[in-house]
Amino acid sequence: EIVLTQSPGTLSLSPGERATLSCRASQSVSSTYLAWYQQKPGQAPRLLIYGASSRATGIPDRFSGSGSGTDFTLTISRLEPEDFAVYYCQQYGSSPPMYTFGQGTKLEIK
Amino acid sequence: QVQLQESGPGLVKPSGTLSLTCAVSGGSISNNNWWTWIRQPPGKGLEWIGEIFHSGSTNNNPSLKSRVTISVDKSKNQFSLKLSSVTAADTAIYYCARRAVYYNYYYMDVWGKGSTVTVSS
Repeated sequence: EIVLTQSPGTLSLSPGERATLSCRASQSVSSTYLAWYQQKPGQAPRLLIYGASSRATGIPDRFSGSGSGTDFTLTISRLEPEDFAVYYCQQYGSSPPMYTFGQGTKLEIK
Repeated sequence: QVQLQESGPGLVKPSGTLSLTCAVSGGSISNNNWWTWIRQPPGKGLEWIGEIFHSGSTNNNPSLKSRVTISVDKSKNQFSLKLSSVTAADTAIYYCARRAVYYNYYYMDVWGKGSTVTVSS
């Protein structure tokens, strides 16, 4: 089973700043199998990025994803007040077929 | 626009069976999608439970496999989760979600609002 480790656990930044969130896999992951989600308190997760770098429908272009192999990054170029939330990465493994999530990064207002 | 809505008892007794249903609206459950269950214990992260295709094919989390049954009812446009022999560790928000079949991409793009299930006597 592939384990995803997200860092940092908590990131304290101010609106307008740039946020860089990391997701590291315990073994190589196909880029098409890597996604990012945003979750606000009391809400379901929302898909942000799929295929490591493709933005989901309706996601602002300040959100971008990059990476390959074992290291993936979610970047928010200029933080808006509504971006403060918890972010999860997710990967798909085929043997056996299953999905795993990272433990999450909490992005909080500094 | 596809929407998902979970329903089921909010309280289940230890050793009992948790049963939830996810109603699909705005689209057919027989479209080319997988239908997924994911849970989130209080204050914790996300755990994938399993998924089902409209044909009845399923994939389940090996850590839960022997306790999980996922089924589909095409006539009602819904799918269901049963989790047996529950303990307090199964207390969580349970989400249903759609995993669209799109090339070689694997992600959940539509989520229900979640259903809180507490295991307690």
